[in-house]
Amino acid sequence: NAGVTQTPKFRVLKTGQSMTLLCAQDMNHEYMYWYRQDPGMGLRLIHYSVGEGTTAKGEVPDGYNVSRLKKQNFLLGLESAAPSQTSVYFCASSYPASTYEQYFGPGTRLTVT
Amino acid sequence: GQSLEQPSEVTAVEGAIVQINCTYQTSGFYGLSWYQQHDGGAPTFLSYNALDGLEETGRFSSFLSRSDSYGYLLLQELQMKDSASYFCAVISFQKLVFGTGTRLLVSP
Repeated sequence: NAGVTQTPKFRVLKTGQSMTLLCAQDMNHEYMYWYRQDPGMGLRLIHYSVGEGTTAKGEVPDGYNVSRLKKQNFLLGLESAAPSQTSVYFCASSYPASTYEQYFGPGTRLTVT
Repeated sequence: GQSLEQPSEVTAVEGAIVQINCTYQTSGFYGLSWYQQHDGGAPTFLSYNALDGLEETGRFSSFLSRSDSYGYLLLQELQMKDSASYFCAVISFQKLVFGTGTRLLVSP
């Protein structure tokens, strides 16, 4: 089992460019999450999904969009990147009955110049 | 809204015991989780408390007092590999809200 994987691992964007981060999990988890982590701060929830075809906003959703077309995949999109979106992005997944135990991917380090 | 408070940094020596505290304010509280994150790595789940009391998992224990909105993570027999950041997180309907983390530095 690969667990939770994220693509890409690193990326540098120029301001205004767009990109999509891909998260995949092979644990048949219903719930999936996207977080960002900035220095000295905890993980902040961007968007999450409680099932295929459903998404919801988290704490810091502005500037991001998501899609959950397949149960195993959760995509995070940046339509017009800004330097404030420079961060490490983590995807996570869990069973509905155990939201407290989330499995995290290795992260994507994104720099916007 | 939700807020969690943890100390920013704790230092200890190998073999010692250290306690990392977490106080929280939240609506719709379902429980408190703890995660460990090594530098450059992903967070990994350590422990969960839904009810008051102590939960023990090997060298790590976690405690919750719902009436005091307070919990702690206790690490015993500290090892160098325990140097990491530790996050408490409240479970609030379908999602977790994380604290800002406590950096634990273990010295020889």
